[in-house]
Amino acid sequence: GQQLNQSPQSMFIQEGEDVSMNCTSSSIFNTWLWYKQDPGEGPVLLIALYKAGELTSNGRLTAQFGITRKDSFLNISASIPSDVGIYFCAGRGMTSGTYKYIFGTGTRLKVLA
Amino acid sequence: DAGVTQSPTHLIKTRGQHVTLRCSPISGHKSVSWYQQVLGQGPQFIFQYYEKEERGRGNFPDRFSARQFPNYSSELNVNALLLGDSALYLCASSLGANTEAFFGQGTRLTVV
Repeated sequence: GQQLNQSPQSMFIQEGEDVSMNCTSSSIFNTWLWYKQDPGEGPVLLIALYKAGELTSNGRLTAQFGITRKDSFLNISASIPSDVGIYFCAGRGMTSGTYKYIFGTGTRLKVLA
Repeated sequence: DAGVTQSPTHLIKTRGQHVTLRCSPISGHKSVSWYQQVLGQGPQFIFQYYEKEERGRGNFPDRFSARQFPNYSSELNVNALLLGDSALYLCASSLGANTEAFFGQGTRLTVV
């Protein structure tokens, strides 16, 4: 199935460091979402972006909707051990009358205390 | 308020059997979508229902079907199970057809 390109695939960082990950698509989206998924759980919505160029924060998380509408990035500042998990981007657009989310391949984050 | 609830949480089935997965959306939400997540990948869209009507279908075979009830809960049915159907099945609830989705904890299906 179709998936968005997310990078990096995985990263190990020290506690307190900042993290940056991005997501790119060959298609234009009208909404970008960022989710975090812990093992055995469903994805939890972190940030939703609705306009090209929009920059939105949620605590230590900041995400931006790319100007071209084909990309988005997520930054995590001052990482802590509970930030560990898999981060997914999801783009939403209308295809054949359906609003569906296309997810990225995921970025696996591990934080070293 | 309760979030999205899915049942069962885990399920083991034999090849060729049929399975029904259930989802209750967040109170007030009228749209339910189903996603399949194979280990190591992102979720893949299967179906969206809004106001009890199918609004979209992903690239899945006809063995997969779903429906939405008057109380907006939903069932996903899979017939003639294959080993490759083993995955985490996620239900997502939305207020409307084009608003952000909130996921349940998923049903882990293992086909043996």
